[in-house]
Amino acid sequence: DIEMTQSPSSLSASLGDRVTITCRASQSIGSYLNWYQQKPGKAPKLLIYAASSLQSGVPSRFSGSGSGTDFTLTISSLQPEDFATYYCQQSYSTRYTFGQGTKLEIK
Amino acid sequence: QLQLQESGPGLVKPSETLSLTCTVSGASISSTSFYWGWIRQPPGKGLEWIGSIYYSGSTYYNPSLKSRVTISVDTSKNQFSLRLKSVTAADTAVYYCAKAYGDYVGVFSDYWGQGTLVTVSS
Repeated sequence: DIEMTQSPSSLSASLGDRVTITCRASQSIGSYLNWYQQKPGKAPKLLIYAASSLQSGVPSRFSGSGSGTDFTLTISSLQPEDFATYYCQQSYSTRYTFGQGTKLEIK
Repeated sequence: QLQLQESGPGLVKPSETLSLTCTVSGASISSTSFYWGWIRQPPGKGLEWIGSIYYSGSTYYNPSLKSRVTISVDTSKNQFSLRLKSVTAADTAVYYCAKAYGDYVGVFSDYWGQGTLVTVSS
């Protein structure tokens, strides 16, 4: 199984901050990496697919990078609606495992 | 606009079978390149992928659940279903159905249902 590890598990930041969340795979997964945002009581929302491709309708302040085992999600300037939990997910193997999540909170 | 809606019992007894259905509107469940899947989230915890079914009928399951899970498609009703047998309290979770798109860039879930809470309790 491919294990996905996110860091940090939680993060406090202020409006306007630049934030980076990291996701590491236990083996190389190429660029088969997706990022989702989830708000309380809501279904996850796809932000980034294929490591760096922005899903239609997602603001350009979100960006993704990386390949192989190390990936990052960056929010260039935090907005109030960005405070949520973020998950990475690999699709290299057909067990599409998620990371444990990173909770982004207001400082 | 593509929409997915989960339906099924909100309470299941231990050792019984959990059965959920996802009704798809706005797209054909037989569309090529589409996967239809189930993901769950125990209260206060992270996401766990349960399994997916491809338009061709091929299925992919989480190995940790494989012995208990069946995902199937009913093309006449544009629905797909989840059956999880021999449930325990550990199966209590919000269950989401999702549509995924797959090609050379990988597989990603771009549409989700709102989720339905299933509690396993006597």
